[in-house]
Amino acid sequence: AQTVTQSQPEMSVQEAETVTLSCTYDTSENNYYLFWYKQPPSRQMILVIRQEAYKQQNATENRFSVNFQKAAKSFSLKISDSQLGDTAMYFCAFMKRSYGGSQGNLIFGKGTKLSVKP
Amino acid sequence: GAGVSQSPSNKVTEKGKDVELRCDPISGHTALYWYRQSLGQGLEFLIYFQGNSAPDKSGLPSDRFSAERTGGSVSTLTIQRTQQEDSAVYLCASSLAWFGYTFGSGTRLTVV
Repeated sequence: AQTVTQSQPEMSVQEAETVTLSCTYDTSENNYYLFWYKQPPSRQMILVIRQEAYKQQNATENRFSVNFQKAAKSFSLKISDSQLGDTAMYFCAFMKRSYGGSQGNLIFGKGTKLSVKP
Repeated sequence: GAGVSQSPSNKVTEKGKDVELRCDPISGHTALYWYRQSLGQGLEFLIYFQGNSAPDKSGLPSDRFSAERTGGSVSTLTIQRTQQEDSAVYLCASSLAWFGYTFGSGTRLTVV
């Protein structure tokens, strides 16, 4: 079974600074996907960034980037130039790659509560 | 529709009553998922639909929980004889491929 661990229940950062959220996972699969989701107080889960395990290049989306270390099973999220609107719960998630047109379920970590302070 | 729609947004029910939660996925999304999020916890997988069939029901916590999906579209999650431990936010998501899910805003269920 796959597990996802986020070891930082809460973090805070000053506006405009950089913060890194940690995520590790455990799997025997070789082909999979990794995701970071953001959940603001509105409850809606918003996809921040995704990474395909077979790609060595780290994914980047504007101010958000990941450090994917496949051998270490580590998938951290770096937020640059933090903004007040980044305040939210952040969840790391794992999905096994499925074939034949079906999709697997996402397995989530317990989340990290990020507060961006003015 | 443009996004995943869930109703009701909030539901307060008395212990022992049955409740139905509704999810209307993005048009054309073949996969639909139900998750439960308890206070301060991550997301707990409940059930997954591919079309109208449910290949994975492994997350349903008890036989009081059931779900169905009709026409490859709308899904309902039914909880019978609700208990206080059922209080949580129930999130629905739909997906077309591996790109990741699109979530709804959830239903907050409170059992009193």
